[in-house]
Amino acid sequence: DVQMTQSPSNLAASPGESVSINCKASKSISKYLAWYQQKPGKANKLLIYSGSTLQSGTPSRFSGSGSGTDFTLTIRNLEPEDFGLYYCQQHNEYPPTFGSGTKLEIK
Amino acid sequence: EVQLVESGGGLVQPGRSLKLSCAASGFTFSNYYMAWVRQAPKKGLEWVATISTSGSRTYYPDSVKGRFTISRDNAKSSLYLQMNSLKSEDTATYYCARHPIAARLSMDAWGQGASVTVSS
Repeated sequence: DVQMTQSPSNLAASPGESVSINCKASKSISKYLAWYQQKPGKANKLLIYSGSTLQSGTPSRFSGSGSGTDFTLTIRNLEPEDFGLYYCQQHNEYPPTFGSGTKLEIK
Repeated sequence: EVQLVESGGGLVQPGRSLKLSCAASGFTFSNYYMAWVRQAPKKGLEWVATISTSGSRTYYPDSVKGRFTISRDNAKSSLYLQMNSLKSEDTATYYCARHPIAARLSMDAWGQGASVTVSS
């Protein structure tokens, strides 16, 4: 199975700032990395797939980069609604596997 | 609007069975692979099962293989997860999710989840 190592586990930032979350795969997954947002009381939301393709409805302040084993989610000009949990997931092969999550909190 | 609504969760004793259902609406259910993903309390997400559009192909991780069965009824736009020989470590919120056609094995729609507690 492909192990996904996500960092940092916790992140604190202020509205208007930019943050980056990293995800490392235990072997090459080509470009097939997805990012999700999880918030209490709401359905999980796919933000980005295939490394850098924004899902319909994802604001342009979100961007994804990387290929092979190293990927990054960048959120520019943080909005209050961006705070929550973020997960990466490789969607290259079975079993699809997730990172351990990053909690993005308001500083 | 795409909607996925899970039902059937609850408290069950170890070794017993439980069946979850997911009612889909707002899209052509039969065109999509579907999945179940779970999240244990205070833990991360874990993929549990995937089923092909016709139901002829199913996929599971080793942690549930032989105990869980995913199935679907395209006429009813419904997805199911039959869970047998339940263990305490199966305690989690179970999410129904849709695999998009263009981005294999990612999940572009999720339900709100059904809570399953395995305890005596």
